[in-house]
Amino acid sequence: DAGVTQSPTHLIKTRGQQVTLRCSPKSGHDTVSWYQQALGQGPQFIFQYYEEEERQRGNFPDRFSGHQFPNYSSELNVNALLLGDSALYLCASSSEGWDGEQYFGPGTRLTVT
Amino acid sequence: DAKTTQPPSMDCAEGRAANLPCNHSTISGNEYVYWYRQIHSQGPQYIIHGLKNNETNEMASLIITEDRKSSTLILPHATLRDTAVYYCIVGMYSGGGADGLTFGKGTHLIIQP
Repeated sequence: DAGVTQSPTHLIKTRGQQVTLRCSPKSGHDTVSWYQQALGQGPQFIFQYYEEEERQRGNFPDRFSGHQFPNYSSELNVNALLLGDSALYLCASSSEGWDGEQYFGPGTRLTVT
Repeated sequence: DAKTTQPPSMDCAEGRAANLPCNHSTISGNEYVYWYRQIHSQGPQYIIHGLKNNETNEMASLIITEDRKSSTLILPHATLRDTAVYYCIVGMYSGGGADGLTFGKGTHLIIQP
């Protein structure tokens, strides 16, 4: 079992550009959550997808959007990048059978210049 | 904002028990207490969770006070590999997979040889 995988591992973008990050959940999981972690801070919840719908959302602007595919994989899109969007973006998966655990991937390090 | 208060850092000698405190005085009756840890440059890792009763698994024990306003995570025999940032999180489970988590700044636990 590969666990949660994310791509790419690192990414450099310019202010104003758009970026797409990808996540494949742990086998058997149907729920995907995205988090943003700035340097020295704890992860901040962006949103969660379940059954291809956004089920919950944290306090992030509409520039952050996402999608979940029928195979439960997910994308995070960020438009009009700002310098402050530089962070580690983490994906976590869980299942409706829920054992209390969210499995996190290694993250994508986004640098906006 | 995070609903928990944790000390920013703690030291523990290798082989001794590490006791990490957490205050969550505003916890509601249907909110769980979760503990995660994050080793440098990796995604957070689930440790344990509980609602009212004390819990134990292969990694740790969770002691929740009777009024549920505080808890303690116990690593029974700390090793150098337990050096990490430990997050105490309060949150709900509303079905369809674990809810999005609100991380604070956590406790940086340093295990001393």
